[in-house]
Amino acid sequence: AQSVTQLGSHVSVSEGALVLLRCNYSSSVPPYLFWYVQYPNQGLQLLLKYTSAATLVKGINGFEAEFKKSETSFHLTKPSAHMSDAAEYFCAVSVPPRGNMLTFGGGTRLMVKP
Amino acid sequence: NAGVTQTPKFQVLKTGQSMTLQCAQDMNHEYMSWYRQDPGMGLRLIHYSVGAGITDQGEVPNGYNVSRSTTEDFPLRLLSAAPSQTSVYFCASSNRGQSIETQYFGPGTRLLVL
Repeated sequence: AQSVTQLGSHVSVSEGALVLLRCNYSSSVPPYLFWYVQYPNQGLQLLLKYTSAATLVKGINGFEAEFKKSETSFHLTKPSAHMSDAAEYFCAVSVPPRGNMLTFGGGTRLMVKP
Repeated sequence: NAGVTQTPKFQVLKTGQSMTLQCAQDMNHEYMSWYRQDPGMGLRLIHYSVGAGITDQGEVPNGYNVSRSTTEDFPLRLLSAAPSQTSVYFCASSNRGQSIETQYFGPGTRLLVL
């Protein structure tokens, strides 16, 4: 079975600073990897996904993530944080043939200080 | 195009009561699923369906029933609510293709069981 670990349940950055949210996965087969964002009192929205094409994946709102097989990692980054990035972020994994069945990490709440 | 809708938004139940959480989508998606979200645990899959008349269990199915009589609707039933079922419930849908399709999440139902 696959699993996801998100390091740091809370991350605080200053506006304009680099955002780095960490995600490590465990899977016995090549995985699919996802980052979702959840704004307060809303559902989840897909930021980006890795499906075995390019290892550097660009998503919405200036976010990107790099798949590193040797490190079993899929960390999410953004060069410059904006106040509107404050939200909870979830990393998720799935494996073929059940690519739609997601296993989520515990989430990281990102706080952006002015 | 309303996407994925869920009702009610909030519900309070007493232990032992039953209720149905409604989920509907208007995107003609074959795949639908229910997740529960608990602090620090991310989202966990309860049940899923790959099409009308077909359902299967996810990671945490105990205490929940589902059925899928139409493509559009995927209700989640709690037959005898327990305090451990206090959670936020999300419904999601996607196409069922060979590649990894984006899942669309509803806004959630917040359930409190006393």
